Amino acid sequence: NAGVMQNPRHLVRRRGQEARLRCSPMKGHSHVYWYRQLPEEGLKFMVYLQKENIIDESGMPKERFSAEFPKEGPSILRIQQVVRGDSAAYFCASSPGGKKLFFGSGTQLSVL
Amino acid sequence: RKEVEQDPGPFNVPEGATVAFNCTYSNSASQSFFWYRQDCRKEPKLLMSVYSSGNEDGRFTAQLNRASQYISLLIRDSKLSDSATYLCVAPDGAGSYQLTFGKGTKLSVIP
Repeated sequence: NAGVMQNPRHLVRRRGQEARLRCSPMKGHSHVYWYRQLPEEGLKFMVYLQKENIIDESGMPKERFSAEFPKEGPSILRIQQVVRGDSAAYFCASSPGGKKLFFGSGTQLSVL
Repeated sequence: RKEVEQDPGPFNVPEGATVAFNCTYSNSASQSFFWYRQDCRKEPKLLMSVYSSGNEDGRFTAQLNRASQYISLLIRDSKLSDSATYLCVAPDGAGSYQLTFGKGTKLSVIP
């Protein structure tokens, strides 16, 4: 049973470009969470999704950030017009329900 | 958002030592808690769940003190492989799916 799969592992973008981060949850998991981690900081909740629904996006910046979890395919975290402050590790986690989260290996985004 | 506070450390301990970390949480309605382990630049991995007064798993013991709103993690007979950052996690409320992560406590086990 494969774990949570995130890709790419590393993503380099120039300021103003778009970043797309993908997350495939564990088999049988319908709950997906996105977290952001800045260097030397804790994980910060961004968004919680279930299939085709955004349940809670209270941790997402109001502009430039969006997330989706379509009926088919991975969950996507999209950052438009990236800025240097977006550089961070973005972790996706999945759950079958309940509070135990299983994390992917993360995507390290670097904005030049 | 609710707060979860941890001593950042680092805790530098010799192999075989016993080390304890504390974590305080602000939301008295929280029912269950977690300790995650995070190695440098890698994903957090669930170490232990704490649902009632405590939980023990081998060399690891987690305890919950609801009156004082803190959770502790005790590691006995430390191994080099225990070196990592330990994250305390609390839900935002009794029925909440949102988890608040502490910034972590760094442990280095020294030969």
